[in-house]
Amino acid sequence: AQSVTQLGSHVSVSEGALVLLRCNYSSSVPPYLFWYVQYPNQGLQLLLKYTTGATLVKGINGFEAEFKKSETSFHLTKPSAHMSDAAEYFCAVCLSGGYQKVTFGIGTKLQVIP
Amino acid sequence: KAGVTQTPRYLIKTRGQQVTLSCSPISGHRSVSWYQQTPGQGLQFLFEYFSETQRNKGNFPGRFSGRQFSNSRSEMNVSTLELGDSALYLCASSFGQGSTDTIYFGEGSWLTVV
Repeated sequence: AQSVTQLGSHVSVSEGALVLLRCNYSSSVPPYLFWYVQYPNQGLQLLLKYTTGATLVKGINGFEAEFKKSETSFHLTKPSAHMSDAAEYFCAVCLSGGYQKVTFGIGTKLQVIP
Repeated sequence: KAGVTQTPRYLIKTRGQQVTLSCSPISGHRSVSWYQQTPGQGLQFLFEYFSETQRNKGNFPGRFSGRQFSNSRSEMNVSTLELGDSALYLCASSFGQGSTDTIYFGEGSWLTVV
């Protein structure tokens, strides 16, 4: 079975500051990892995903994440926060071969302070 | 191309009633999955359909059911509604060829049970 732990249900950063959202996973087989963003009253939008290959993954809106197998982590970062980044972020894991059964973390609400 | 479309967007039902939610996937996508999102439990996988067959199922009671039609459109049904079924129900679609597929989410159906 797989699981995802997101550390910090709420994170506040100043505009222009580094964004770091933490995600640790548990999986018995090599996982596929995702970060999604959800804006108020909207569905989820894929930010980036890791399947195989390069462990540093770049996504949309300047976000990136690094897969660290030794730490079972997939933290999301952005060098400089923008007001438009305020949203809820979900880390998710899907087992290779597990088709569409995705397990999501509880989510982290990002607040950007002007 | 058109995204994942869910109807209705908002609805209110009474305890004991049943509800049917509809999802039209992105054209060409054959996999449709459903998720329940609540503040306390986060995003939880309900089930996934591929080519009219249920391929994966989450840990929900039998009151939650779904189906997929030959045109890949999907419906989910919840019978004997309980207050705890109040949630955002998200539909997602993909080509369904494997875990590396990008899953696209609709904007969800907000269900309130009173």
